[in-house]
Amino acid sequence: NAGVMQNPRHLVRRRGQEARLRCSPMKGHSHVYWYRQLPEEGLKFMVYLQKENIIDESGMPKERFSAEFPKEGPSILRIQQVVRGDSAAYFCASSTLRGLQETQYFGPGTRLLVL
Amino acid sequence: GQNIDQPTEMTATEGAIVQINCTYQTSGFNGLFWYQQHAGEAPTFLSYNVLDGLEEKGRFSSFLSRSKGYSYLLLKELQMKDSASYLCAVSTGANNLFFGTGTRLTVIP
Repeated sequence: NAGVMQNPRHLVRRRGQEARLRCSPMKGHSHVYWYRQLPEEGLKFMVYLQKENIIDESGMPKERFSAEFPKEGPSILRIQQVVRGDSAAYFCASSTLRGLQETQYFGPGTRLLVL
Repeated sequence: GQNIDQPTEMTATEGAIVQINCTYQTSGFNGLFWYQQHAGEAPTFLSYNVLDGLEEKGRFSSFLSRSKGYSYLLLKELQMKDSASYLCAVSTGANNLFFGTGTRLTVIP
């Protein structure tokens, strides 16, 4: 059973370019979460999605950031016009909601470096 | 506001026992998670507590006191491979997790 997959693992962009990060949840999981981890800081929740729905985007910056989880294909976190402050590790997690609280399983992350 | 406190760094000796503490103040509580994260890798699930008390799983145990807003992770028979960051996270509802900054544990011979 494959775990959460993320690609690319490393991404280098110049200021002003776009970054697209992809996440495929574990088989059977229909809930996806994106987190950002800055150096020496904790993981910060960004957005929670189910298929074709954004459930909670309270942690997303208001501008330049967007996320989707289409009916087919991976979840995408899109950062437009990247700035140096966007350099971080972006982790995706997935879960299946069978009960009140389900464990989130994390992917290996995408490390974004903005030059 | 939301706040999770855990020590930044700890050092312990191979074969010993170490306890990593976590205190939290959050607007909601739907359970507390511990994750292990090796440098450059994904966080790996260790434990989940939603009721008060101790949950034991092999060499790792986790304790929760909801009234005190307190948890600890206990690692026994430490091994060199246990050197990692240990992340305390609270589920505040709506299924997202609020994380502490993590405790970097170094196991020395």
